[in-house]
Amino acid sequence: QLQLQESGPGLVKPSETLSLTCTVSGGPISSTLFYWGWIRQPPGKGLEWIGSFYYSGSTYYNPSLKSRVSYSVDSSKNQVSLKLSSVTAADTAVYYCARHGSVPPIPPYWYFDLWGRGTLVTVSS
Amino acid sequence: QPVLTQPTSLSASPGASARLTCTLRSGIDLGSNRIFWYQQKPESPPRYLLSYSSDSNNHQGSGVPSRFSGSKDASSNAVILVISGLQSEDEGDYYCMIWHSSAWVFGGGTKLTVL
Repeated sequence: QLQLQESGPGLVKPSETLSLTCTVSGGPISSTLFYWGWIRQPPGKGLEWIGSFYYSGSTYYNPSLKSRVSYSVDSSKNQVSLKLSSVTAADTAVYYCARHGSVPPIPPYWYFDLWGRGTLVTVSS
Repeated sequence: QPVLTQPTSLSASPGASARLTCTLRSGIDLGSNRIFWYQQKPESPPRYLLSYSSDSNNHQGSGVPSRFSGSKDASSNAVILVISGLQSEDEGDYYCMIWHSSAWVFGGGTKLTVL
């Protein structure tokens, strides 16, 4: 059974870069059928999509965060990593890794069907 | 005005039906968009429930009971999540989602209380 597990630093200082990793178990991250996305949720608030990444390089970014987001994939470790630069207190949130399909190849049809448990990241000095 | 607007809270009685609305911003055509619904319980990640589209090409999430269904109110440009036969386990936050302007956008969520 496919599972997603997020890991992160827990605490990051303002202006620094936040690094998160999603480890996929039970199936290959290099599957042609799926993208791997990141969604965050500030404490007590709603959901915000950050970006979605395909193992071969195709990406979708939230336009509001695009300038601060980068990612990488390590197929040997079955991991996708997210970096968010120049963080502020507004970036404090639970960060979720989630999977969505790539078929049909039309984004409006895609949905996040599998989620990790999330990892809380606090931005504070 | 947000892309998707949801009421902050809703209360309903066990056994009754709950209608959770997700209103699309003016100018966003209900007829040409697909809306996705998620349920989130405390200290848990969201769970995909279903998708609704006016072309009736709807999709139910794996293991999601049939008492969860989608419909629309065209007069108010809204999609509705209908939960029939409410159970205490249905309490939680419900979010709608849409692909808009090359991004996935979530509504602000509705907290459903079953009492």
